[in-house]
Parts: sequence; C-alpha cells; structure tokens
Amino acid sequence: DTAVSQTPKYLVTQMGNDKSIKCEQNLGHDTMYWYKQDSKKFLKIMFSYNNKELIINETVPNRFSPKSPDKAHLNLHINSLELGDSAVYFCASRATSGGANEQYFGPGTRLTVT
Amino acid sequence: GQNIDQPTEMTATEGAIVQINCTYQTSGFNGLFWYQQHAGEAPTFLSYNVLDGLEEKGRFSSFLSRSKGYSYLLLKELQMKDSASYLCAVNDYKLSFGAGTTVTVRA
Repeated sequence: DTAVSQTPKYLVTQMGNDKSIKCEQNLGHDTMYWYKQDSKKFLKIMFSYNNKELIINETVPNRFSPKSPDKAHLNLHINSLELGDSAVYFCASRATSGGANEQYFGPGTRLTVT
Repeated sequence: GQNIDQPTEMTATEGAIVQINCTYQTSGFNGLFWYQQHAGEAPTFLSYNVLDGLEEKGRFSSFLSRSKGYSYLLLKELQMKDSASYLCAVNDYKLSFGAGTTVTVRA
C-alpha cells in the first residue's frame, strides 16, 4: 500500500565510502524528486526527474548522482561521503496534470556519516 | 532567488486557534502549499492555494494574497496530535520551502 517507499531507512557509514538510496513510487506519477533536510530541518530540493529525464539539478556536488531507470524509480548514489552529507534524504513524487499536484514524500533515509 | 519567511516556533493550548503566517518573495509563482511534518516523519500535504482567498479543509484553513506575497495557515480546535512542524512552500518551476514553524500544543 505504500505510495512512496525508500530503502534503507537508516544508513550509517564512514567518510569516503560510496552508498546508494533507492526510491520507488506506485502512484503512477511522472515526476520524482530528491530532497535533503539538514539538522535545522530546512528542506531543500536536490534533483527532479520527469519521465526519466533530469529537469532540475540544484547546485549539488557531482558526488551525488541520481539515476532513474523508469518512471517509478529514482535512486541516489553518493560517492566519497563527507561528514556534511549527514542529513535526512526524502524522495517525493507528483503528477503534473490536473489538480493541486501536491508532492507525496517517502518516509526518508537518515544518513549518518562518521 | 527565493525568500520564504515563517515564524520559528508557536505554542498554543488544546482547543485554541493558531495562525501561522508565511511571507514570500519568489521569482515566479504557481501556487503555495502547506505541509505538516511530525518529528521523524515525512512531510504530508495539508493545503494548496493558487488564487487569492481562503481554502477551508475541516479544522485547517489556508489563505493567500498574491499581491502581498502572504499566506497563512489557520489551525482550529487544536489537538495534541497537531504538535508538528508546518512548512510553507512556494511553487514556481520547483517547490521552495520555508524553514518551518514548530507548533507545540499544550494541555
């Protein structure tokens, strides 16, 4: 029943490692997003994909690489992890036709880099 | 650029009314959203305004004035479960969020 799911929910890793976070939505939406929420709770967009194509890339270090194998999936790979990458990462999706087009958020992945 | 301001914290008593204000200055405008976020959880959609005026949804209402760059979220008949962070977000080509207002409801 879960609309937007993410794995893993928690991720603890050391500096310099490479890690991936996966996101899947079963809402039939055509646009997906990655957001970062830092310790001050500020939610900031990182990337957006529409029908598997990158449409938003907000001044994010190129250590972060999103990949969308199909409309229902948007994964985030992070190379050479740094302490400052510690945050909660939210995936979201929305439909782009009709209505308010609100975004639906996944449960979040809490990344801790030590 | 985007500039979205909302108060950091508000406290109210159970059963009371609280109004959370949001002012914005953005390069474009295609609607304003309010989201609720409980601690440790994902943001969930509350309301959407694209035209001036008041939108009412049960205990929650949201108002928009585009000419003033201003919105508010009104929470009525407060319940303990309403203790959460409330995020104002403006949509142009992307959704830009304010820092959120933490509302604490006291018995």
